[in-house]
Amino acid sequence: QVQLVQSGAELKKPGTSVTVSCKASGDILTTDSFTWVRQAPGQGLEWMGWISLHNGQTEYSQQLQGRVTLTTDTSTTTGYMELRSLRSDDTAVYYCASFDYGDYWGQGTLVTVSS
Amino acid sequence: EVVLTQSPATLSLSPGERATLSCRASQSVRSYLVWYQQKPGQPPRLLISDASKRATGIPARFSATGSGTDFTLTISSLEPEDFAVYYCHQRSNWPLTFGGGTKLGVK
Repeated sequence: QVQLVQSGAELKKPGTSVTVSCKASGDILTTDSFTWVRQAPGQGLEWMGWISLHNGQTEYSQQLQGRVTLTTDTSTTTGYMELRSLRSDDTAVYYCASFDYGDYWGQGTLVTVSS
Repeated sequence: EVVLTQSPATLSLSPGERATLSCRASQSVRSYLVWYQQKPGQPPRLLISDASKRATGIPARFSATGSGTDFTLTISSLEPEDFAVYYCHQRSNWPLTFGGGTKLGVK
């Protein structure tokens, strides 16, 4: 079993950046990668990207490429998602997940972008 | 990228009825198709992996078939707790993608 604990809610102004963290605990030896998914209010799920804990390989959504960067800290089995040049339509719940040996999701982090 | 089209967008049924949800991919995703259930305020819950394998703890009333481009999720007899939003998700090709969802509501 893996538990994913995300950082708290954020309120950001348009044009700024946000970083959300996701710390894995429990059976962390079965955590090979992090996936990030977001969900705008009342909308569907949007896949944002994926990062390998082993070699840092990343894959990104075409829609977010250039504005999003995924990183990890292997010493703490923590993943980070940075989104830049925030717009109002980036307001969403951001989830991290691990799909390597099961299907585990963080609790979600609400990011609100408003002036 | 692979576009997943789910139909219908909304489905209104009564408890005890059978629900059939469809997911069509714009190109083959082989059997790397996952189904999720999501309720308000919760992260998605895995129902089906590899197109047809029920996840641990998922009741037998949930079943799924398909490969390539056409996939179906069936709920044989709806229970009150089954009314939720269902998403398909392909893990075959980068970038990964989700379908737009089917909202299953009470008639």
